[in-house]
Amino acid sequence: AQSVTQPDIHITVSEGASLELRCNYSYGATPYLFWYVQSPGQGLQLLLKYFSGDTLVQGIKGFEAEFKRSQSSFNLRKPSVHWSDAAEYFCAVGAGSTDKLIFGTGTRLQVFP
Amino acid sequence: GAVVSQHPSWVICKSGTSVKIECRSLDFQATTMFWYRQFPKQSLMLMATSNEGSKATYEQGVEKDKFLINHASLTLSTLTVTSAHPEDSSFYICSAAGARSEQYFGPGTRLTVT
Repeated sequence: AQSVTQPDIHITVSEGASLELRCNYSYGATPYLFWYVQSPGQGLQLLLKYFSGDTLVQGIKGFEAEFKRSQSSFNLRKPSVHWSDAAEYFCAVGAGSTDKLIFGTGTRLQVFP
Repeated sequence: GAVVSQHPSWVICKSGTSVKIECRSLDFQATTMFWYRQFPKQSLMLMATSNEGSKATYEQGVEKDKFLINHASLTLSTLTVTSAHPEDSSFYICSAAGARSEQYFGPGTRLTVT
């Protein structure tokens, strides 16, 4: 079955601390992997995506993610979190950038000053 | 970047009535649009895929007669929730994909059925 698992429902970090959000997937074909951010009352914004090539991908807002095929993981990281990063983060998988997506349940990030 | 709008952003309707939600791609032609549903504190679940000029493809468990989708032009898709009930209250999000290399999400429509 195709699925995305985000084990952490809620994460709280201090501003300036490092961040890692976990994502594991199950997908039959070669997956496109995505991380989106959703702020309250707003739509989803694409942070980064991976299909092939370098397994460490850089995204917007200082985020990066690493694809590990052996672990079926695509964890999102940021070296130093800013208060404005507080939001809901979704990992997703699909057959292509313009194809339907399967989303994880999301991780809510709270940032303390 | 490409912009996708949804209208209305928030709607309250009475049980038994129908409500239409619009999804528009403002600066590109969207050959495909996706409709997702998001319950509070939960993930987005795909409801259906609509391609311009053809019938929508619904995901398993989604009632096509209840959630009517029309993708009549390359910039507009509509979702009509017919005979809405309180359990249909949710956040409905569309995304649009065209010739560009990614899909773009609308800001969502919050539907409350009383």
